[in-house]
Amino acid sequence: GENVEQHPSTLSVQEGDSAVIKCTYSDSASNYFPWYKQELGKRPQLIIDIRSNVGEKKDQRIAVTLNKTAKHFSLHITETQPEDSAVYFCAARYIQGAQKLVFGQGTRLTINP
Amino acid sequence: EAGVTQFPSHSVIEKGQTVTLRCDPISGHDNLYWYRRVMGKEIKFLLHFVKESKQDESGMPNNRFLAERTGGTYSTLKVQPAELEDSGVYFCASTLLGGMNTGELFFGEGSRLTVL
Repeated sequence: GENVEQHPSTLSVQEGDSAVIKCTYSDSASNYFPWYKQELGKRPQLIIDIRSNVGEKKDQRIAVTLNKTAKHFSLHITETQPEDSAVYFCAARYIQGAQKLVFGQGTRLTINP
Repeated sequence: EAGVTQFPSHSVIEKGQTVTLRCDPISGHDNLYWYRRVMGKEIKFLLHFVKESKQDESGMPNNRFLAERTGGTYSTLKVQPAELEDSGVYFCASTLLGGMNTGELFFGEGSRLTVL
């Protein structure tokens, strides 16, 4: 079925350290994997995405890796800063039938000063 | 340019009452989605409109939920009668492109529904 598992549900790191959030998906035909960040009281916003024809994408301090064989993808944030504190959602686009994004459960990331 | 707007931002109702949530997508976005997040869980798909047509409503929980998008502009999501388990944050999102070239989903700030 349509399922995206995301871990961990909460993550606390010291400012300046790295944070890694992992997701697995079930549909091998999925071809698009975005990550959304939701700050407290605000709307989810896209921060980075990756398509299935590449294995890694980087944008400044954030990077996403994709392993199609294992059906998992990860978000990496380096040199974390207090403003990185938020809930992060991974998603996968499911191709079966009408296409839609299926989201993971979210990870609450807290950056400790 | 205005983003996706949702109203109300928070609604508190009693079990058995009716609530209608409204979403105004970004102008020109044919694709409109409703999602719901129950406390601590995933952002769960409810349904997808392309213009005024329901493209996929496989995520609608039951027949107490009714979504409309008359004229292909704004959309409403009505819950009647509301039950305790309907509590959560209802997100609306829109995008210009659909299908295989689906681009970024632009979310609204959500409508928090509390059913007592």
